[in-house]
Amino acid sequence: GEDVEQSLFLSVREGDSSVINCTYTDSSSTYLYWYKQEPGAGLQLLTYIFSNMDMKQDQRLTVLLNKKDKHLSLRIADTQTGDSAIYFCAESIGSSYKLIFGSGTRLLVRP
Amino acid sequence: DSGVTQTPKHLITATGQRVTLRCSPRSGDLSVYWYQQSLDQGLQFLIQYYNGEERAKGNILERFSAQQFPDLHSELNLSSLELGDSALYFCASSQGQGANEQFFGPGTRLTVL
Repeated sequence: GEDVEQSLFLSVREGDSSVINCTYTDSSSTYLYWYKQEPGAGLQLLTYIFSNMDMKQDQRLTVLLNKKDKHLSLRIADTQTGDSAIYFCAESIGSSYKLIFGSGTRLLVRP
Repeated sequence: DSGVTQTPKHLITATGQRVTLRCSPRSGDLSVYWYQQSLDQGLQFLIQYYNGEERAKGNILERFSAQQFPDLHSELNLSSLELGDSALYFCASSQGQGANEQFFGPGTRLTVL
């Protein structure tokens, strides 16, 4: 079945690294995504990774994919207060066009 | 700013009523997707249109319908509204039919009283 799970909350100190984790159940995932949602705003696409890749780096963001364990992580280096938001993991499956979202991880960055 | 626009931003209505939410995709994008975000169900895919035709359907109620017009804007129609339909409704767009790189609008917050 299609299911994406995330932990609900993460709190880090400003300047530290944040690691947000996600697990998914469908092994036929095509792409895996990270979206950011700030209060009262829509979802901002941060990055995505094709399912045959292990890692993708984009400035302060590093995505790691362990396909065997169906585990995806997003590492934010040098976390800033502006990074405080809800982060959603999502997958698209095969030729399906829909995104399956996790429940979101609320990241709180303490000064 | 993703380039996807949605109107209205907020909508307050009563049970039993019908509303229409509007979405304009990014310039050049042919696919439009609708999602519902509620506290109990999270973010759920409703429906996708590509170049005017329905392409995929998700957890969309029969009381809900959508269409995409020749100018590529899309409307989501919600009828016989119930309290449980209160949610944030997002539209997203992408260039092609695939789900790669969907860009989301700011959403329409619907409150049903």
